[in-house]
Amino acid sequence: DSGVTQTPKHLITATGQRVTLRCSPRSGDLSVYWYQQSLDQGLQFLIQYYNGEERAKGNILERFSAQQFPDLHSELNLSSLELGDSALYFCASSVGLLNTGELFFGEGSRLTVL
Amino acid sequence: GQQLNQSPQSMFIQEGEDVSMNCTSSSIFNTWLWYKQDPGEGPVLLIALYKAGELTSNGRLTAQFGITRKDSFLNISASIPSDVGIYFCAGRGQGAQKLVFGQGTRLTINP
Repeated sequence: DSGVTQTPKHLITATGQRVTLRCSPRSGDLSVYWYQQSLDQGLQFLIQYYNGEERAKGNILERFSAQQFPDLHSELNLSSLELGDSALYFCASSVGLLNTGELFFGEGSRLTVL
Repeated sequence: GQQLNQSPQSMFIQEGEDVSMNCTSSSIFNTWLWYKQDPGEGPVLLIALYKAGELTSNGRLTAQFGITRKDSFLNISASIPSDVGIYFCAGRGQGAQKLVFGQGTRLTINP
């Protein structure tokens, strides 16, 4: 158990819909990262927050947005969903600004868009 | 942007065999890491490397940070069934706030 909690574990929805994925980082971790893993693909970095502020952005689509709340949990919002958005979405956390490079990953939220 | 090329994409080996996989980058990294993902789980850190030329072991796993800082390899000796999974390399550039991941190597072991 990494200590990172993601909900929901599975989500099935239709094209055009909007979903919210939630992440609670490890106790004491200030940084939260979101990654997307498509079938047979590596982990694509989406966005990073540190203590409530956006710190780094990857190839995140404009239809996607995220935020980190004062209690340090984070939400990833995916809107106008397309079939190609079906993927495993991982949240990871680290104590600070990736000093050691170690990320602690949650179990992921599997999104299926039909 | 930074890209990591990880090879091989998949491996099918017999239990007891040694395994070798590597990762190359188009740019220099200051940190190389190797993660393993078990089915239905998130990736877990296996080994972290912070210095060019560094060779680090974790049990049957050995990883090296290439001298050019553009590559790294991971070796697994005497593979066992629980080694099955997807292995990812990851790198971080100077001052970067994110890890760049390779495409992964899927390891399958025949008993």
